[in-house]
Amino acid sequence: DVVMTQSPLSLPVTLGQPASISCKSSQSLVHSDGKTYLNWFQQRPGQSPRRLIYKVSNRDSGVPDRFSGSASGTDFTLKISRVEAEDLGVYYCMQGTHWPYTFGQGTKLEIK
Amino acid sequence: VQLVESGGGVVQPGGSLRLSCAASGFTFDDYPMHWVRQAPGKGLEWVSLISGDGGTTYNADSVKGRFTISRDNSKNTLYLQMNSLRTEDTALYYCAQDQSGSYLSWGQGTLVTVSS
Repeated sequence: DVVMTQSPLSLPVTLGQPASISCKSSQSLVHSDGKTYLNWFQQRPGQSPRRLIYKVSNRDSGVPDRFSGSASGTDFTLKISRVEAEDLGVYYCMQGTHWPYTFGQGTKLEIK
Repeated sequence: VQLVESGGGVVQPGGSLRLSCAASGFTFDDYPMHWVRQAPGKGLEWVSLISGDGGTTYNADSVKGRFTISRDNSKNTLYLQMNSLRTEDTALYYCAQDQSGSYLSWGQGTLVTVSS
């Protein structure tokens, strides 16, 4: 199975400041169709996961543009340009290129 | 889109439970569906997948031979039959709608507690 490794696992942030979460895959996530199925999910306390980003950098409808995704080889990054209180929670990367789908361990975004 | 899970509860080790997920707001049989679980305070773990027509299923190694995923497209409902439950199966179980290498929508989850 593809191993997804996130860092850091805990990210204390100051509201209004930027934040960045890294996710590294154990193998290439480029599918035979040429697409890269790397997703980011947000899970607020007590809530179900919600998809923010799909195929590396595509924001879902309703996701603020302060969230962005990027990639460099097998390294993927989720960036929040200015953290707001509603962004606090746990963020997971997930690959859907190889079967079975696998998740990173999660990064907890919390107030410093 | 709405996914509503039910059927969770407290069960002894070795026992059985059947979870259900009622879907609405989309053409149910167009989409593969998954069960994903989250142990208390832990991360997300994929459990089972079923194709849109129900003809193909996959299970995680951790539940192979014990859990069976199925669906009734006439009722827009997904199921997970869980047998020979272990304490390590204790988790919040989510159903999730597949969309090309991703999970498009999630339910609110149903809690399964395996304890003597």
